[in-house]
Amino acid sequence: ELKVEQNPLFLSMQEGKNYTIYCNYSTTSDRLYWYRQDPGKSLESLFVLLSNGAVKQEGRLMASLDTKARLSTLHITAAVHDLSATYFCAVEETSGSRLTFGEGTQLTVNP
Amino acid sequence: DSGVTQTPKHLITATGQRVTLRCSPRSGDLSVYWYQQSLDQGLQFLIQYYNGEERAKGNILERFSAQQFPDLHSELNLSSLELGDSALYFCASSVADSYEQYFGPGTRLTVT
Repeated sequence: ELKVEQNPLFLSMQEGKNYTIYCNYSTTSDRLYWYRQDPGKSLESLFVLLSNGAVKQEGRLMASLDTKARLSTLHITAAVHDLSATYFCAVEETSGSRLTFGEGTQLTVNP
Repeated sequence: DSGVTQTPKHLITATGQRVTLRCSPRSGDLSVYWYQQSLDQGLQFLIQYYNGEERAKGNILERFSAQQFPDLHSELNLSSLELGDSALYFCASSVADSYEQYFGPGTRLTVT
């Protein structure tokens, strides 16, 4: 059974600081997704990582995928308050397209 | 806006009742997925349909069932509701297997 673990689960950081969220998964997969969720809202797609070594950047967020280590990272650069949200990684099973989600990282950026 | 629509947005009902949640996928998408998000279990995959046929099943209770109709909209039926069924239910759609899934706004179900 595929397991996906994120850490940290809670992250409180100051504006302007950098930090990284980690996503580990237990079985082989070449597809990993990062989503953002604001309280009570839906999931907003941030990144789709489809191969080993994939790196994608959008604004202050950068995601990478190492399929050999079964690890993805979401790096936040110079955080701003608007980035406060819960971030989920989700791994797609190789035998189908169902997504297994991590527990989510609740990020709070303080002024 | 992802293009996936879900109705209703909110639903409050009593234990033992039955409800139906509805999802319309993005235009052109053949796959529909249902996910449940609760405080206890996090985000969990329930079931997938592709072009009217059940494709994959996850942690879906026997009290729950789903179907996808010829016009590709999908319904998730929840029966004999229990307090623990209170959750956000998301529908997602994709063009086909292994394509990016786009999530709808969700239906918040409260069982009292």
